[in-house]
Amino acid sequence: DAGVTQSPTHLIKTRGQQVTLRCSPISGHKSVSWYQQVLGQGPQFIFQYYEKEERGRGNFPDRFSARQFPNYSSELNVNALLLGDSALYLCASSSLQGLGANVLTFGAGSRLTVL
Amino acid sequence: AQSVTQPDIHITVSEGASLELRCNYSYGATPYLFWYVQSPGQGLQLLLKYFSGDTLVQGIKGFEAEFKRSQSSFNLRKPSVHWSDAAEYFCAVGSYSGGGADGLTFGKGTHLIIQP
Repeated sequence: DAGVTQSPTHLIKTRGQQVTLRCSPISGHKSVSWYQQVLGQGPQFIFQYYEKEERGRGNFPDRFSARQFPNYSSELNVNALLLGDSALYLCASSSLQGLGANVLTFGAGSRLTVL
Repeated sequence: AQSVTQPDIHITVSEGASLELRCNYSYGATPYLFWYVQSPGQGLQLLLKYFSGDTLVQGIKGFEAEFKRSQSSFNLRKPSVHWSDAAEYFCAVGSYSGGGADGLTFGKGTHLIIQP
């Protein structure tokens, strides 16, 4: 079975531009989460979606938005890019089978560079 | 708010030697604890998890971790490291929903270097 797939793998943008990152979860997984990993740091939680609804949001500005589609894939959008948005963006999926059983499987990430 | 501290930014170990990576957490209730490994340019791979029960948990690649509530620790161990273990290791804590609505909180990571 395919794992979590993310696209694009690398991209370069300039300040003020907008970016869309895409994620396809593991087949059968209904939950998708997004994390930002700045170089040298651990990942930080941005969003979680389950059954197309936002279920959780981390401490990120409104420039960050996301959505989940009927096939459970997801997009992360970042508007008005800042230099500090340069990071590896990780998508993770889970089956969310119940409380405590939400083990995340991560994709390889999308490396965003903002110039 | 929950938090995770990994006190060691870098650790160097000789191949074949034992390894212990430290992790301390702060969380008001029984935590859900995870160790992930990240190779350069890759995503995160789950090594092991603790939800409840036996405080010594076994994971993949010969790793194990012990949950000590009194010390708020979840240290990762391996009896004999291999050169392929060189990577970044992250400890994480989940909320009661197991990393659902609140997401996982990660430490800053420990970079493991293996000496031949």
